[in-house]
Amino acid sequence: DGGITQSPKYLFRKEGQNVTLSCEQNLNHDAMYWYRQDPGQGLRLIYYSQIVNDFQKGDIAEGYSVSREKKESFPLTVTSAQKNPTAFYLCASSISAADNSPLHFGNGTRLTVT
Amino acid sequence: GNSVTQMEGPVTLSEEAFLTINCTYTATGYPSLFWYVQYPGEGLQLLLKATKADDKGSNKGFEATYRKETTSFHLEKGSVQVSDSAVYFCALSDQTGANNLFFGTGTRLTVIP
Repeated sequence: DGGITQSPKYLFRKEGQNVTLSCEQNLNHDAMYWYRQDPGQGLRLIYYSQIVNDFQKGDIAEGYSVSREKKESFPLTVTSAQKNPTAFYLCASSISAADNSPLHFGNGTRLTVT
Repeated sequence: GNSVTQMEGPVTLSEEAFLTINCTYTATGYPSLFWYVQYPGEGLQLLLKATKADDKGSNKGFEATYRKETTSFHLEKGSVQVSDSAVYFCALSDQTGANNLFFGTGTRLTVIP
């Protein structure tokens, strides 16, 4: 079955450490996205990529970095510069970055930093 | 700017009750509107969408009509089931060509038998 796989489901890190969240898709989608979900708030866009080797900052990119070396993969690194990294992170993809192309979401990674 | 406002939850209904979750939006231009659903422990799934004024999106018994005059996209279902318990997000897509979605804060629905 095609889909988006995020791993791990739960991740724990100490403050000051960088951590990388994995996102893989086998849907042959061009566009991929990272969102952050906090309690009582909607999803906020961190980064998105319209095509391999290209990515753009979203609304809350500070303290995060991404790469898009392969079409299938869009890993997100939460750096020590991110002031409040504990959150639920959702990866998504779409056929293209054009409007109305529906997003397909992974099941998320819950990151806890102490 | 673009924004979405949803009714605050949580909403608790008995099985077979009528559901309405209000959603209003602010946008420049003519956005597309979406409802996404998030079941416990999962990511979001597209429930329905509407791309222009007066369009009605529908899926799994849920409906929402794009009302430009009231800038609204309220979600309705005539008879909810326990399996509908989830968090529902209203969202809009602006016309920047980057498929950037603006989400509401989500409304948690619990349906009790």
